[in-house]
Amino acid sequence: DAGVTQSPTHLIKTRGQHVTLRCSPISGHKSVSWYQQVLGQGPQFIFQYYEKEERGRGNFPDRFSARQFPNYSSELNVNALLLGDSALYLCASSFGNQPQHFGDGTRLSIL
Amino acid sequence: SQQGEEDPQALSIQEGENATMNCSYKTSINNLQWYRQNSGRGLVHLILIRSNEREKHSGRLRVTLDTSKKSSSLLITASRAADTASYFCATDAFFYNQGGKLIFGQGTELSVKP
Repeated sequence: DAGVTQSPTHLIKTRGQHVTLRCSPISGHKSVSWYQQVLGQGPQFIFQYYEKEERGRGNFPDRFSARQFPNYSSELNVNALLLGDSALYLCASSFGNQPQHFGDGTRLSIL
Repeated sequence: SQQGEEDPQALSIQEGENATMNCSYKTSINNLQWYRQNSGRGLVHLILIRSNEREKHSGRLRVTLDTSKKSSSLLITASRAADTASYFCATDAFFYNQGGKLIFGQGTELSVKP
């Protein structure tokens, strides 16, 4: 079975631009969560979506938004990019209270 | 902000030795999980211990949990070069029972030399 897939794998943007990151969960998983991992640190929770509804939001500015589609895939959008948004963005999916399964992430670099 | 504090930040051992990593957290939890991350890759789930459990084993992994001290430890026995990775503890925040919000520590970077 396919794991969590994320696209693109790498992305280079300039300050002020916007970006859309995509995630396909494991088949049957209805919960998708997004995390930001800055180099040398642990992941930080951004959003959780379950059945297309936002269930949780971390301490991130309104420039960050997300949505979940009827097929449970998800997009993370970031507007007005800042240098500090450079990070590995991880998507995870889960079924019920089972552990989360992570994709390999999108490496976002802001110039 | 991170909830967990991990200790040590970096650990270097020889193949065959045991590796112990510690994690402390701040709030009430449903469970505590340990993940491994190879360089530049996603996180791989290793083991989950529930708040009413004190010890759990999985292969060469042994996890303990002390809720009175809000701390956990991960022991990897008979380490191998392939165990080289960063290890993170993560707590499942008390109010999110759908398993959606994990709060991670800053991680321990383990290097196992052949």
